[in-house]
Formats: sequence, C-alpha cells, structure tokens
Amino acid sequence: SQQGEEDPQALSIQEGENATMNCSYKTSINNLQWYRQNSGRGLVHLILIRSNEREKHSGRLRVTLDTSKKSSSLLITASRAADTASYFCATAPPQGAQKLVFGQGTRLTINP
Amino acid sequence: DTAVSQTPKYLVTQMGNDKSIKCEQNLGHDTMYWYKQDSKKFLKIMFSYNNKELIINETVPNRFSPKSPDKAHLNLHINSLELGDSAVYFCASSRSPGQGMWEQFFGPGTRLTVL
Repeated sequence: SQQGEEDPQALSIQEGENATMNCSYKTSINNLQWYRQNSGRGLVHLILIRSNEREKHSGRLRVTLDTSKKSSSLLITASRAADTASYFCATAPPQGAQKLVFGQGTRLTINP
Repeated sequence: DTAVSQTPKYLVTQMGNDKSIKCEQNLGHDTMYWYKQDSKKFLKIMFSYNNKELIINETVPNRFSPKSPDKAHLNLHINSLELGDSAVYFCASSRSPGQGMWEQFFGPGTRLTVL
C-alpha cells in the first residue's frame, strides 16, 4: 500500500509567500526524500533527511522530520513563479529494503 | 550532458501491439529503476536492477519485461499493449542501495498512449 501521503493535495499562493507541504507515512524509515516534478518532466531530487536528523536546509528549502509522528514537512521560503510544480515525498524503508515509496504529491502553484 | 535519457519521449500505439522503451544513464550508477506514473500522478515502482541483476519485481503483468544489457542501460519491453497501460513511464538510477536508499536521478519520461 502507499506509504507517504502529502497534504495538501494542492496549494496556491502568491509569489513571495512561504509554502509548506506535509508528508505522513506509516512504517519506520531509513530516510525520507523530497522531489520536485515540473509539468511534463521527470522528478528532480531536492533533499534527503535521515531518520536520525530532525531538520535540514538547502537554499530556500527547509525540511523537518518527526519520526515519532511519522511526518515530514517541506517549507519553501520566498516562493517564486519557477517553484510552481508538484512536490513528492518518498520514504526509504530500513536497511535491506531496496525501493522508495512515493506519495501522491502536492501540486504547488505560485501566482505572480 | 543528459544524465538519464529515455527514448522515445512519446509513444502512441494500438492495443495489442508490442513496444519498447529504452533508458541509458551516464552517471556510473549500479542501480536502475522503472516507474509508472498514472493520470493521478501516483508514481509506482515496477522493476529495479542492480548490476544487471533483477532485484525488484513488483506486481506487474508478465507482459512487461525489463532487460539490462549492461549496468548503464535498462530497457522495458511491453507485449500485447492494453488501454490501461497508458501512462508516463520513468526510468531512474542511483547508487547501490547498500546501507539505505540514495537519491534517485530520473529520466524525462515516456508518455505511452494506447488507443
């Protein structure tokens, strides 16, 4: 069954505002990854956070992980029109498992 | 330079036909994957190869047959195409899973339409 579930399914904000997307999952993980998919394109890896990490930054991206709540959030600060895309979380099961399980994504629209 | 490439980008064909999608990566990765993304954007793993050896084979009809001639290539052959096979197929690659799953690098996708 599907592991990650993103919330909200769609988000529309004004340029310059911050965007927050959430991901919940059901079983223990080795790491959790966030990907971006622009319309008609492949997925692009954004950030990986390991199960023993609580927060990670990359440029305007901030990812948090709460393993007790089995949830993660992706914050994009000072959004730009170019951030318009679908964002997916993917969970990596503990050592030994060899596949990522993707959620259904959040469709983010940045309005100019 | 393109890291993960797929051909063709678009594939339109009739029900019952057989078709192939090719994938190549120049990242030196040992592991390659095929995913299917449906109309609701749900991305599901189909197959994974590590050093030309099949390591993941999800519940996929046996009309789908992956082939890895070397670790830089992973092709997908589909026999007797059905309407439900219409989707976008993504190839991806990564370092070997080892201690945990690494980031994956995706190709641009092949949009398959079965008429």
